[in-house]
Amino acid sequence: QVQLVQSGGEVKEPGASVTVSCKASGYMFITHGITWVRQAPGQGLEWMGWISSYNGNTDSEKKFQGRVTMTTDTSTNTVYMEMRSLRSDDTAVYYCARVDYYESSGYFQHWGQGTLVTVSS
Amino acid sequence: SYELTQPPSVSVSPGQTASITCSGDKLGDKYACWYQQKPGQSPVLVMYHDSKRPSGIPERFSGSNSGNTATLTISGTQPMDEADYYCQAWESSTAWVFGGGTKLTVL
Repeated sequence: QVQLVQSGGEVKEPGASVTVSCKASGYMFITHGITWVRQAPGQGLEWMGWISSYNGNTDSEKKFQGRVTMTTDTSTNTVYMEMRSLRSDDTAVYYCARVDYYESSGYFQHWGQGTLVTVSS
Repeated sequence: SYELTQPPSVSVSPGQTASITCSGDKLGDKYACWYQQKPGQSPVLVMYHDSKRPSGIPERFSGSNSGNTATLTISGTQPMDEADYYCQAWESSTAWVFGGGTKLTVL
Protein backbone atom coordinates (compact mmCIF):
# COMPACT_ATOMS: atom_id res chain seq x y z
CA GLN A 1 0.00 0.00 0.00
CA VAL A 2 1.10 3.58 -0.56
CA GLN A 3 2.99 5.01 2.40
CA LEU A 4 4.62 8.36 2.96
CA VAL A 5 6.77 8.47 6.08
CA GLN A 6 8.10 11.83 7.22
CA SER A 7 11.02 12.69 9.44
CA GLY A 8 10.54 13.61 13.07
CA GLY A 9 9.73 16.92 14.69
CA GLU A 10 12.24 19.74 14.79
CA VAL A 11 12.87 22.73 17.02
CA LYS A 12 14.78 25.57 15.41
CA GLU A 13 15.81 29.08 16.32
CA PRO A 14 14.71 32.03 14.19
CA GLY A 15 16.96 32.48 11.18
CA ALA A 16 17.93 28.82 11.03
CA SER A 17 17.09 26.27 8.33
CA VAL A 18 15.18 23.03 8.53
CA THR A 19 14.92 20.03 6.23
CA VAL A 20 11.96 17.69 6.33
CA SER A 21 12.08 14.37 4.49
CA CYS A 22 9.28 12.28 3.04
CA LYS A 23 10.04 8.64 2.14
CA ALA A 24 7.63 7.01 -0.28
CA SER A 25 6.87 3.32 -0.68
CA GLY A 26 4.24 1.05 -2.17
CA TYR A 27 4.27 2.50 -5.70
CA MET A 28 6.61 3.42 -8.53
CA PHE A 29 8.19 6.57 -7.15
CA ILE A 30 8.85 8.43 -10.39
CA THR A 31 5.23 8.19 -11.57
CA HIS A 32 3.83 10.65 -9.03
CA GLY A 33 4.92 14.06 -7.86
CA ILE A 34 5.03 15.04 -4.20
CA THR A 35 3.49 18.16 -2.78
CA TRP A 36 4.04 19.99 0.51
CA VAL A 37 1.27 21.49 2.62
CA ARG A 38 1.61 23.17 5.99
CA GLN A 39 -0.78 23.91 8.82
CA ALA A 40 -0.03 26.46 11.52
CA PRO A 41 -1.50 25.76 14.97
CA GLY A 42 -5.27 26.17 14.86
CA GLN A 43 -5.17 27.32 11.24
CA GLY A 44 -6.10 25.89 7.86
CA LEU A 45 -4.15 24.06 5.21
CA GLU A 46 -1.69 26.05 3.12
CA TRP A 47 -0.26 24.72 -0.15
CA MET A 48 3.46 25.32 -0.42
CA GLY A 49 4.67 23.68 -3.61
CA TRP A 50 5.32 20.45 -5.42
CA ILE A 51 8.11 18.53 -7.10
CA SER A 52 8.08 16.07 -9.97
CA SER A 53 9.67 12.84 -8.79
CA TYR A 54 10.43 12.10 -12.43
CA ASN A 55 12.60 15.09 -13.40
CA GLY A 56 12.84 17.27 -10.29
CA ASN A 57 10.85 20.16 -11.75
CA THR A 58 9.23 22.26 -9.07
CA ASP A 59 6.53 24.86 -8.64
CA SER A 60 5.75 26.73 -5.47
CA GLU A 61 3.44 29.32 -4.00
CA LYS A 62 4.93 32.77 -4.51
CA LYS A 63 5.37 33.49 -0.81
CA PHE A 64 7.76 30.53 -0.48
CA GLN A 65 9.82 31.14 -3.60
CA GLY A 66 13.43 31.85 -2.69
CA ARG A 67 13.09 30.44 0.81
CA VAL A 68 12.01 26.85 0.14
CA THR A 69 13.88 24.23 -1.86
CA MET A 70 12.41 20.87 -2.76
CA THR A 71 14.59 18.01 -3.98
CA THR A 72 14.12 14.36 -4.80
CA ASP A 73 16.37 11.32 -4.42
CA THR A 74 15.21 8.53 -6.69
CA SER A 75 17.75 6.10 -5.22
CA THR A 76 15.94 6.17 -1.87
CA ASN A 77 12.45 7.25 -3.01
CA THR A 78 12.72 10.27 -0.75
CA VAL A 79 11.70 13.89 -1.21
CA TYR A 80 13.20 16.69 0.84
CA MET A 81 11.84 20.14 1.67
CA GLU A 82 14.30 22.70 3.02
CA MET A 83 13.10 26.00 4.44
CA ARG A 84 15.60 28.75 5.24
CA SER A 85 15.50 31.92 7.33
CA LEU A 86 12.89 30.48 9.65
CA ARG A 87 10.54 32.82 11.49
CA SER A 88 8.21 32.19 14.38
CA ASP A 89 5.23 32.18 12.02
CA ASP A 90 6.76 29.19 10.21
CA THR A 91 5.82 27.10 13.24
CA ALA A 92 3.48 24.52 11.76
CA VAL A 93 2.88 20.90 10.92
CA TYR A 94 4.35 20.21 7.50
CA TYR A 95 2.75 17.47 5.41
CA CYS A 96 3.89 15.78 2.25
CA ALA A 97 1.31 14.18 -0.03
CA ARG A 98 1.36 12.27 -3.30
CA VAL A 99 -0.08 14.05 -6.32
CA ASP A 100 -2.65 12.05 -8.26
CA TYR A 101 -4.48 13.11 -11.40
CA TYR A 102 -7.86 12.30 -12.89
CA GLU A 103 -8.58 13.82 -16.29
CA SER A 104 -6.09 16.66 -15.63
CA SER A 105 -7.44 17.52 -12.19
CA GLY A 106 -4.89 17.02 -9.46
CA TYR A 107 -5.59 15.94 -5.91
CA PHE A 108 -3.81 14.52 -2.87
CA GLN A 109 -5.06 11.08 -1.79
CA HIS A 110 -2.07 9.84 0.20
CA TRP A 111 -0.55 11.94 2.96
CA GLY A 112 2.39 11.64 5.30
CA GLN A 113 1.87 11.71 9.04
CA GLY A 114 3.06 15.31 9.34
CA THR A 115 6.17 16.86 10.87
CA LEU A 116 5.92 19.55 13.53
CA VAL A 117 8.47 22.29 13.05
CA THR A 118 8.70 24.68 15.96
CA VAL A 119 10.56 27.95 15.54
CA SER A 120 11.42 29.51 18.87
CA SER A 121 14.31 31.24 20.56
CA SER B 1 -4.10 35.26 -6.47
CA TYR B 2 -7.02 32.90 -6.59
CA GLU B 3 -9.11 32.57 -3.43
CA LEU B 4 -11.61 30.01 -2.19
CA THR B 5 -14.11 31.01 0.49
CA GLN B 6 -15.79 28.61 2.90
CA PRO B 7 -18.14 29.30 5.83
CA PRO B 8 -16.20 28.97 9.10
CA SER B 9 -18.75 26.62 10.61
CA VAL B 10 -21.75 24.47 9.77
CA SER B 11 -23.96 22.68 12.25
CA VAL B 12 -26.22 19.71 11.56
CA SER B 13 -28.29 17.28 13.58
CA PRO B 14 -27.48 13.57 13.36
CA GLY B 15 -29.26 11.96 10.43
CA GLN B 16 -29.82 15.25 8.64
CA THR B 17 -28.10 16.58 5.52
CA ALA B 18 -25.10 18.86 5.78
CA SER B 19 -24.01 21.10 2.92
CA ILE B 20 -20.62 22.78 2.93
CA THR B 21 -19.98 25.38 0.25
CA CYS B 22 -16.80 26.65 -1.38
CA SER B 23 -16.88 29.79 -3.49
CA GLY B 24 -14.40 31.10 -6.01
CA ASP B 25 -14.40 33.06 -9.24
CA LYS B 26 -15.59 30.72 -12.02
CA LEU B 27 -14.87 27.75 -9.77
CA GLY B 28 -17.19 25.68 -11.94
CA ASP B 29 -14.62 25.95 -14.75
CA LYS B 30 -12.06 24.19 -12.58
CA TYR B 31 -12.13 20.91 -10.67
CA ALA B 32 -12.73 20.90 -6.94
CA CYS B 33 -11.87 18.34 -4.32
CA TRP B 34 -12.54 18.05 -0.60
CA TYR B 35 -10.58 16.89 2.42
CA GLN B 36 -11.75 15.88 5.87
CA GLN B 37 -9.45 16.47 8.81
CA LYS B 38 -10.03 15.34 12.37
CA PRO B 39 -7.99 16.74 15.28
CA GLY B 40 -4.42 15.55 15.33
CA GLN B 41 -4.77 13.63 12.07
CA SER B 42 -3.61 14.09 8.49
CA PRO B 43 -6.24 15.20 5.98
CA VAL B 44 -8.29 12.54 4.19
CA LEU B 45 -9.51 12.97 0.63
CA VAL B 46 -13.30 12.56 0.53
CA MET B 47 -14.08 13.91 -2.95
CA TYR B 48 -12.10 14.63 -6.11
CA HIS B 49 -12.87 15.81 -9.65
CA ASP B 50 -15.95 17.60 -8.26
CA SER B 51 -18.02 14.52 -7.53
CA LYS B 52 -15.90 11.38 -7.43
CA ARG B 53 -15.60 9.47 -4.19
CA PRO B 54 -12.33 7.67 -3.41
CA SER B 55 -12.66 4.04 -2.43
CA GLY B 56 -13.57 3.66 1.22
CA ILE B 57 -15.50 6.93 1.45
CA PRO B 58 -19.15 6.31 2.37
CA GLU B 59 -21.86 6.91 -0.22
CA ARG B 60 -23.44 9.56 2.00
CA PHE B 61 -20.70 11.92 0.77
CA SER B 62 -21.41 13.61 -2.57
CA GLY B 63 -20.12 16.64 -4.42
CA SER B 64 -21.09 19.14 -7.08
CA ASN B 65 -19.51 22.16 -8.74
CA SER B 66 -21.18 24.79 -10.90
CA GLY B 67 -20.89 28.50 -11.50
CA ASN B 68 -18.89 29.98 -8.65
CA THR B 69 -19.68 27.36 -6.02
CA ALA B 70 -18.64 23.83 -5.20
CA THR B 71 -20.65 21.94 -2.59
CA LEU B 72 -19.89 18.93 -0.43
CA THR B 73 -23.07 17.25 0.75
CA ILE B 74 -23.25 14.71 3.55
CA SER B 75 -26.57 12.88 3.67
CA GLY B 76 -27.61 11.18 6.88
CA THR B 77 -24.76 12.86 8.76
CA GLN B 78 -23.24 10.74 11.52
CA PRO B 79 -21.37 11.87 14.62
CA MET B 80 -18.17 10.45 13.11
CA ASP B 81 -18.44 13.03 10.32
CA GLU B 82 -17.69 15.85 12.74
CA ALA B 83 -14.44 17.34 11.46
CA ASP B 84 -12.88 20.22 9.55
CA TYR B 85 -13.49 20.16 5.81
CA TYR B 86 -11.31 21.90 3.23
CA CYS B 87 -12.04 22.48 -0.42
CA GLN B 88 -9.26 22.67 -2.95
CA ALA B 89 -9.00 23.69 -6.56
CA TRP B 90 -6.28 23.82 -9.16
CA GLU B 91 -5.70 27.14 -10.86
CA SER B 92 -3.16 27.62 -13.64
CA SER B 93 -1.47 30.72 -12.20
CA THR B 94 -1.17 29.50 -8.64
CA ALA B 95 -1.41 25.70 -8.94
CA TRP B 96 -3.27 24.31 -5.95
CA VAL B 97 -5.18 26.46 -3.49
CA PHE B 98 -7.15 25.55 -0.38
CA GLY B 99 -10.23 27.14 1.08
CA GLY B 100 -10.04 28.37 4.64
CA GLY B 101 -11.85 25.35 6.04
CA THR B 102 -15.25 24.67 7.60
CA LYS B 103 -15.79 23.15 11.01
CA LEU B 104 -18.70 20.72 10.83
CA THR B 105 -20.45 20.18 14.14
CA VAL B 106 -22.91 17.31 14.53
CA LEU B 107 -25.22 17.97 17.45
